Amino acid sequence: EVQLVQSGAEVRKPGESLRISCQASGYSFTSYWIAWVRQMPGRGLEWLGIISPSDSDTRYSPSFQGQVTMSADRSISTAFLEWSSLRASDTAMYYCARLPYLRDFLEYWGQGTLVTVSS
Amino acid sequence: QSVLTQPPSVSGAPGQRVTISCTGGSSNIGAPYDVHWYQQLPGTAPKLLIYGDDNRPSGVPDRFSGSKSGTSASLAITGLRAEDEADYFCQSYDNSLSASVFGTGTKVTVL
Repeated sequence: EVQLVQSGAEVRKPGESLRISCQASGYSFTSYWIAWVRQMPGRGLEWLGIISPSDSDTRYSPSFQGQVTMSADRSISTAFLEWSSLRASDTAMYYCARLPYLRDFLEYWGQGTLVTVSS
Repeated sequence: QSVLTQPPSVSGAPGQRVTISCTGGSSNIGAPYDVHWYQQLPGTAPKLLIYGDDNRPSGVPDRFSGSKSGTSASLAITGLRAEDEADYFCQSYDNSLSASVFGTGTKVTVL
């Protein structure tokens, strides 16, 4: 069974750094791209970008280029999303999701990680 | 501001048919790139509902169907049920952004 299990909710202050995780199981981690999606409170879905766990090739959406960093550790089948300096506007639910081979839709989703940035 | 526009809300009585539109342009739906649809029940992660314009994943009832024409796509729900009350999002690739994008989202209310 394919599963994506995300790390727990986080509360940080503006300017702090943060890394959240998405651990995959039930399939070959390096064979499928992982996407990250943002959902701000009461708002719609936003595509942050995708990462290939096999070689860490990344494709960021223009709006998020330079704002976040995606990475992956093949040894622990885990993808990461990282901020070096959080802003209040980063407060949102973040989802990871798996893309099927050579397709661009999101077939399996993690449960989401709520990030709250507040002074 | 998403490049894929959906109506903010649609509603219908149980048993009725409702449709949700997803309007894009020549750099996404009209290119043409595939359109996919997701259902997000309150307080849960989104779930894939339709992929590749009109394909249902295993387990999705055939009450849900997708279609595409030109620069727009549609999701239809027939035999509306209370459990269909949720937010629905379309998604496609946009070659001007070199990234996928989601629609603005539509809340379906069952009267």
